[in-house]
Amino acid sequence: DAKTTQPNSMESNEEEPVHLPCNHSTISGTDYIHWYRQLPSQGPEYVIHGLTSNVNNRMASLAIAEDRKSSTLILHRATLRDAAVYYCILRATSGTYKYIFGTGTRLKVLA
Amino acid sequence: ETGVTQTPRHLVMGMTNKKSLKCEQHLGHNAMYWYKQSAKKPLELMFVYSLEERVENNSVPSRFSPECPNSSHLFLHLHTLQPEDSALYLCASSQGQGNTIYFGEGSWLTVV
Repeated sequence: DAKTTQPNSMESNEEEPVHLPCNHSTISGTDYIHWYRQLPSQGPEYVIHGLTSNVNNRMASLAIAEDRKSSTLILHRATLRDAAVYYCILRATSGTYKYIFGTGTRLKVLA
Repeated sequence: ETGVTQTPRHLVMGMTNKKSLKCEQHLGHNAMYWYKQSAKKPLELMFVYSLEERVENNSVPSRFSPECPNSSHLFLHLHTLQPEDSALYLCASSQGQGNTIYFGEGSWLTVV
């Protein structure tokens, strides 16, 4: 499975944008980039995913580099409720059911 | 969000006990997963079932025994566990391969 690399932790001030980076230099052409987050004492929840183009939804935006070797999750206005561990995961479209989670980035939001 | 429901939420068991964790998904998915999350460690994939057939088994000790009677229900039977098995056990489901995976809130297991 292709691996991802994320910073262990980041901090942000409330109401400011947050850019969470992810490197995936060994990504294959059919791998989707998925982001999940895990709030304290809860299971991970889906945030966003994309293949090549930038994506937006009500929770966040996903910016994907042109060579697809990196991506950035963008939270446009961080709130205290966004404090969580954010995971960047590569998901093959077929051939495997494996979702491999790394250590993720622990986001701390400061009031 | 009640798409994937896990019971019990908390379980304390002795090393000689036999207990089971239950998972139910209401999303119409055909694949279900068990993950283990120990303190300060990444999620570890344990088992995956697709259409009630086990398709992934990540070298999990035999004291953990999964069961998938239908596509909506998944069990994890536990027997003669060790204290190091104490962890958060997460159930998840997806529709086929490659699609978004949805997690339950987890079952906190403590082995004493």
